[in-house]
Amino acid sequence: EAEVAQSPRYKITEKSQAVAFWCDPISGHATLYWYRQILGQGPELLVQFQDESVVDDSQLPKDRFSAERLKGVDSTLKIQPAELGDSAMYLCASSLQNTGELFFGEGSRLTVL
Amino acid sequence: GENVEQHPSTLSVQEGDSAVIKCTYSDSASNYFPWYKQELGKGPQLIIDIRSNVGEKKDQRIAVTLNKTAKHFSLHITETQPEDSAVYFCAAYNFNKFYFGSGTKLNVKP
Repeated sequence: EAEVAQSPRYKITEKSQAVAFWCDPISGHATLYWYRQILGQGPELLVQFQDESVVDDSQLPKDRFSAERLKGVDSTLKIQPAELGDSAMYLCASSLQNTGELFFGEGSRLTVL
Repeated sequence: GENVEQHPSTLSVQEGDSAVIKCTYSDSASNYFPWYKQELGKGPQLIIDIRSNVGEKKDQRIAVTLNKTAKHFSLHITETQPEDSAVYFCAAYNFNKFYFGSGTKLNVKP
């Protein structure tokens, strides 16, 4: 069964350091989402891609976060510099365009010390 | 924008009992309503979904109902088992965006 792949699964870093997360969506899925999930809450959208284009990054803290999907396939989410409040689960998800079915990866758990 | 509210935040049931989780949404344009199960330390897994042209959908022990007029939908789990213990999220979808509820932590006691 096709899956959304994410790495690393766990990342511990000190504040002010840079961190990067990688996501490979299900093959053929044009839409890719990065969500942040704080413990005990639902996922919150950070950025949405349609192919290689950003569709929505209104909730992305652009002073420290960046995301790219250069060839419209895999994607990278970067945080620089990391802050204590960035500790969370970062989830990548993908879907076929306009079908609504969203599939999540296992997530990347970030701890900022 | 869309606002999804989910209740209860925690639910504890005895093994074999039924569990019901309810969500309401605000935007009548929402047309797809998935439910996700999230186990500790893992990503959410799609367990069942319903589209706005359907009132009810079943898959073995789980079912989802949708009331478009009242703008609410519910997840029903029958004959609960300890492995059903997890956090469940509802979501509403419109214009290529998903809006998630705050989650329900279900605990099934053996």
